[in-house]
Amino acid sequence: DVKVTQSSRYLVKRTGEKVFLECVQDMDHENMFWYRQDPGLGLRLIYFSYDVKMKEKGDIPEGYSVSREKKERFSLILESASTNQTSMYLCASSLRGEVTGELFFGEGSRLTVL
Amino acid sequence: QKEVEQDPGPLSVPEGAIVSLNCTYSNSAFQYFMWYRQYSRKGPELLMYTYSSGNKEDGRFTAQVDKSSKYISLFIRDSQPSDSATYLCAKGGSSNTGKLIFGQGTTLQVKP
Repeated sequence: DVKVTQSSRYLVKRTGEKVFLECVQDMDHENMFWYRQDPGLGLRLIYFSYDVKMKEKGDIPEGYSVSREKKERFSLILESASTNQTSMYLCASSLRGEVTGELFFGEGSRLTVL
Repeated sequence: QKEVEQDPGPLSVPEGAIVSLNCTYSNSAFQYFMWYRQYSRKGPELLMYTYSSGNKEDGRFTAQVDKSSKYISLFIRDSQPSDSATYLCAKGGSSNTGKLIFGQGTTLQVKP
């Protein structure tokens, strides 16, 4: 079974803090993604990576950065958290080149910025 | 306009009802479509995918694509309380990077 693990399920941070969200997958997938999920807006892509040290901006990259130093690990960084970044963050991975492109998701990290 | 549009609901039906969930899309490139199901406090999981027009059936679930009207649907027959979840439609954006574009998700409640 593919497993995508997000290190923190619930976080509470203060405005201006630096926040790290960690994601690890155990199926040797090339592609990894960070989405945020908000009511009425669905899943919006923040960043994705299709190889180690490669990253591409998604639809809403402002205020975020990412790091992919190892194939299995993809980190999302909020350099200076703001209240509008309060959200559910979902990490996902997939196998490159597969037509169906099935994404395997972690259980999510719910971030509250006060 | 979002590339994939989905009515967020919520949708509430009695047990045993036929449920119809719908999405529209605007970009005809990379036409493979997926339905994900997300239970409360969990990540989404793939339910079904289709790669062409027509129907695909899996048990009580049928996915349908109408390319002429750019409409994708998921039908659930004999709905059960365990089907209560958020259903997300998604469209393939690139077969190489695996990027998917999601609709807003529809929250379904099936009442016993």
